[in-house]
Amino acid sequence: RKEVEQDPGPFNVPEGATVAFNCTYSNSASQSFFWYRQDCRKEPKLLMSVYSSGNEDGRFTAQLNRASQYISLLIRDSKLSDSATYLCVVNRIDDMRFGAGTRLTVKP
Amino acid sequence: SQTIHQWPATLVQPVGSPLSLECTVEGTSNPNLYWYRQAAGRGLQLLFYSIGIDQISSEVPQNLSASRPQDRQFILSSKKLLLSDSGFYLCAWRGRGVYYGYTFGSGTRLTVV
Repeated sequence: RKEVEQDPGPFNVPEGATVAFNCTYSNSASQSFFWYRQDCRKEPKLLMSVYSSGNEDGRFTAQLNRASQYISLLIRDSKLSDSATYLCVVNRIDDMRFGAGTRLTVKP
Repeated sequence: SQTIHQWPATLVQPVGSPLSLECTVEGTSNPNLYWYRQAAGRGLQLLFYSIGIDQISSEVPQNLSASRPQDRQFILSSKKLLLSDSGFYLCAWRGRGVYYGYTFGSGTRLTVV
């Protein structure tokens, strides 16, 4: 079993749609969690840290469920510019583990 | 503010040739440093990480090696490249503490021919 698993995707949605990504992790000792965004042929960039109480940043909402060991990312009112691959990241003591990513395409 | 520099951006190398990719971080001290590789259409694979000078941990035994001769410098090397070494190589740094995320360099796209 992979340490971090994400929805395989791809997700193709119209502009204005709400889309949710899920991610599960296997190491119950993991302490911090993140969502990264990676555009085609570019480096991943931090989108959001995921806090235990859940957090929101504009159209983006991240949730953490420690009991079930899953993390989610909700994007409301999708924009064309949201098209990218979204990576779920789980922290270990000295390094972080990445999910394989879920590709999102927002269409006009 | 902290910045991370990685070069070159693109590299085409013949099979059997050596490799040296360099990464430097500015604006911080004693960072954790990482090398990742991403094959085309695939996820990120951790290759090496370092928590201090000359302290390197390898995740994947292969023909690559890493060195950290200075606190904010991380180098990825190979003596003889294989075709399977082609990919997108990313350097990253993270501050101390489990609640820091990674910041990535802009990456090196390596094609071995």
